[in-house]
Amino acid sequence: DIVMTQSPDSLAVSLGERATINCKSSQTVLSIYNNKNYLAWYQQKPGQPPKLLLYWASTRESGVPDRFSGSGSGTDFTLTISSLQTEDVAVYYCQQYYSTPLTFGGGTKVEIK
Amino acid sequence: QVQLQQWGAGLLKPSETLSLTCAVYGGSFSYYFWTWIRQTPGKGLEWIGEINDGGSPNYNPSLKSRVTISLDTSKNQFSLKLKSVTAADTAMYYCARGLMDTGKVTTIDHWGQGTLVLVSS
Repeated sequence: DIVMTQSPDSLAVSLGERATINCKSSQTVLSIYNNKNYLAWYQQKPGQPPKLLLYWASTRESGVPDRFSGSGSGTDFTLTISSLQTEDVAVYYCQQYYSTPLTFGGGTKVEIK
Repeated sequence: QVQLQQWGAGLLKPSETLSLTCAVYGGSFSYYFWTWIRQTPGKGLEWIGEINDGGSPNYNPSLKSRVTISLDTSKNQFSLKLKSVTAADTAMYYCARGLMDTGKVTTIDHWGQGTLVLVSS
């Protein structure tokens, strides 16, 4: 199984400031066939299921604000919220879909400082 | 607008079989992977398995011996059975829709509301 490790476990950021979340996979999730990274990011608010934010490491799902961006390749990835809003308070997860079983990171809780 | 609505027993005794069903409204069954995922505070999000529109399942090896996922296309429903449950199977269980790319599952774009399953004697 591909192990996904996120850091930090939690972070507190002031409104309007940048939040950065890291995700590392135990093996590459970059396909040599199509040069795509099989990595997604989700947001989960209390009492709700996760919501897809980004896929192919950096492509935003329809309707996701452009303050959310993803970067990285191979085994190291980053989710950035460029200007934190109150509605962004949530837990964020990375997920690899390079191979099954699909696996998720442990989550990063984002709060307002 | 695709919606997934799930139901099933929320309280089980050890050794019983967990049984959940998910109905899909507002979308086609074709070209997707119908998926079950569970979530616990300790282990986080865990992919249980999936079934494609042709009825072929794929399970997490860690649960494979106990899991069955089935499809009823006539009712637009899919189901999860997990036998011989223990306290370790206590979790929020989600049904979900997985997108397909070149025949493989990719991301999860729609989720059910979740069913909290507690295993306790």
